[in-house]
Amino acid sequence: QQQVKQSPQSLIVQKGGISIINCAYENTAFDYFPWYQQFPGKGPALLIAIRPDVSEKKEGRFTISFNKSAKQFSLHIMDSQPGDSATYFCAASQTGTASKLTFGTGTRLQVTL
Amino acid sequence: NAGVTQTPKFQVLKTGQSMTLQCAQDMNHNSMYWYRQDPGMGLRLIYYSASEGTTDKGEVPNGYNVSRLNKREFSLRLESAAPSQTSVYFCASSELRTYYGYTFGSGTRLTVV
Repeated sequence: QQQVKQSPQSLIVQKGGISIINCAYENTAFDYFPWYQQFPGKGPALLIAIRPDVSEKKEGRFTISFNKSAKQFSLHIMDSQPGDSATYFCAASQTGTASKLTFGTGTRLQVTL
Repeated sequence: NAGVTQTPKFQVLKTGQSMTLQCAQDMNHNSMYWYRQDPGMGLRLIYYSASEGTTDKGEVPNGYNVSRLNKREFSLRLESAAPSQTSVYFCASSELRTYYGYTFGSGTRLTVV
């Protein structure tokens, strides 16, 4: 039972281009949607997160767009750089005493020169 | 400034052997988690501990046991390792509300032969 579906599985973008990763969720009780970035040999690290009371959140070159009615959210990386090459995971959770994150399957991004 | 420390970093086990993966955090977080990461499947929750003294099953608990030794430490035990448990294991910690995100360790790469 995959509650968070992520696409694409892999993505190749030229330097300076826009990288877009999409996620869809099923559980309408989810109210926290983070994105994690993982470099090879490292653990995932929180990149940016959004709550459903806003439709967009921007931090530098990274933007989350959120569509509550469609139960979808996406990560946009503007002016993609080779240093952005990593695996990106979307996730979702329902806040509570144990806010367990449900992760998507990951997107391997490669930014070429 | 260690964050979440996992030991060991690498381990090879024979089928049927047992081992314990150790995890410790120094951020005074209440909640701790164990995830496994497999290609194409993202991060799947094995067990979690919302607070000291409590543990609960996640999505894929079969074949594993956990112990929340104190607020800092959360261990994962494989009683009789199987090849299907070959994976990268990540420990994470967080406050009770995940608005602050998870902090992950650097992982344990386990191979069962």
